[in-house]
Amino acid sequence: GQNIDQPTEMTATEGAIVQINCTYQTSGFNGLFWYQQHAGEAPTFLSYNVLDGLEEKGRFSSFLSRSKGYSYLLLKELQMKDSASYLCAVRADYKLSFGAGTTVTVRA
Amino acid sequence: DTGVSQDPRHKITKRGQNVTFRCDPISEHNRLYWYRQTLGQGPEFLTYFQNEAQLEKSRLLSDRFSAERPKGSFSTLEIQRTEQGDSAMYLCASSLAGGSKETQYFGPGTRLLVL
Repeated sequence: GQNIDQPTEMTATEGAIVQINCTYQTSGFNGLFWYQQHAGEAPTFLSYNVLDGLEEKGRFSSFLSRSKGYSYLLLKELQMKDSASYLCAVRADYKLSFGAGTTVTVRA
Repeated sequence: DTGVSQDPRHKITKRGQNVTFRCDPISEHNRLYWYRQTLGQGPEFLTYFQNEAQLEKSRLLSDRFSAERPKGSFSTLEIQRTEQGDSAMYLCASSLAGGSKETQYFGPGTRLLVL
């Protein structure tokens, strides 16, 4: 089975940094994905890690430690439009198993 | 715009009725997935196609659910004798086998409400 945990909610101020943690216990591992989902919309791809380490992509970075079953998504220079749900997903074979999502609220 | 389209975007139906949803993947993608998402949860895998072959069905997919991808392009998901518990967002995603990261790109979803 798959078990993917992430915090339910986080709040931060515009311009700040927020780190969303994700821990996983899965049968099989073939990559970890982060998606952003605004209310009522489809998840959109943010980042992908398959090897240990940090992947940086503009204001967003994602880190993976396979031995610890741990990842985080780092959002820098927060903007109001970053208010959304952030989904951690593990791929085993071809299908994705998702966490419940972390709702990030950015305050002015 | 991810390029995956779904129709309809919203569907309201009465319990016991049948509904059918359509998904058009990104044109060169040979893998297509259906997921279901309820409020406050992440998407849950339902089924998966490679070309026209349905390769896996989740245990979540009862006998009332059937999916097809007849020509390896668009796919349909049918729910027969709908129940109130079927109310959810139904998401379709597609990917290119062997492509970079083999990222799954999601469509806008069909939101189903069963009264």
